[in-house]
Amino acid sequence: NAGVTQTPKFRILKIGQSMTLQCTQDMNHNYMYWYRQDPGMGLKLIYYSVGAGITDKGEVPNGYNVSRSTTEDFPLRLELAAPSQTSVYFCASSLLTGYQPQHFGDGTRLSIL
Amino acid sequence: KQEVTQIPAALSVPEGENLVLNCSFTDSAIYNLQWFRQDPGKGLTSLLLIQSSQREQTSGRLNASLDKSSGRSTLYIAASQPGDSATYLCAVSKGTGANSKLTFGKGITLSVRP
Repeated sequence: NAGVTQTPKFRILKIGQSMTLQCTQDMNHNYMYWYRQDPGMGLKLIYYSVGAGITDKGEVPNGYNVSRSTTEDFPLRLELAAPSQTSVYFCASSLLTGYQPQHFGDGTRLSIL
Repeated sequence: KQEVTQIPAALSVPEGENLVLNCSFTDSAIYNLQWFRQDPGKGLTSLLLIQSSQREQTSGRLNASLDKSSGRSTLYIAASQPGDSATYLCAVSKGTGANSKLTFGKGITLSVRP
């Protein structure tokens, strides 16, 4: 049972480049989330989705875009990478009810130089 | 706006000690509270989830309590072991659907000395 899988695990980008962080889950969870974690800080929500075709902004959405065409996949897009986007990105998923915890991937460590 | 605070930021204890990790939140209108463990370079692993109607949850050597009215939760770790060394984060949600998103504390980094 793979759970939540994120790719790539590490990436270095140049300022202005774009990339997509991939996230897929095999637990048939309706809810999916993208967080970023900066050193010494808790996690901040970037975007979330309550089901295929439905996405909404979180606390820090600027500079990012998402899509949710299937239940399994929730990619995060950086269009014009900036140094402030250097961070560790986590994808998570959970069941619809809210009585179950969120399951996290191992993260993507992204550096913008 | 909900704020979650975890103090201290770091804690070092000798092996075998019973310890308590604290979490406080400013808005008592929560749906549930979760405690997570994060190992270096890894994602978060859920330890315990407490619904707002519950007072505590237990799993092995871990016990989490919730006092919603005072905006506090504690994670009790019994007979600590070096393998318990990790960062522990608490997080709260307001409900289901669009309110299911979590607000996190910054975490407490625990070191258990052999």
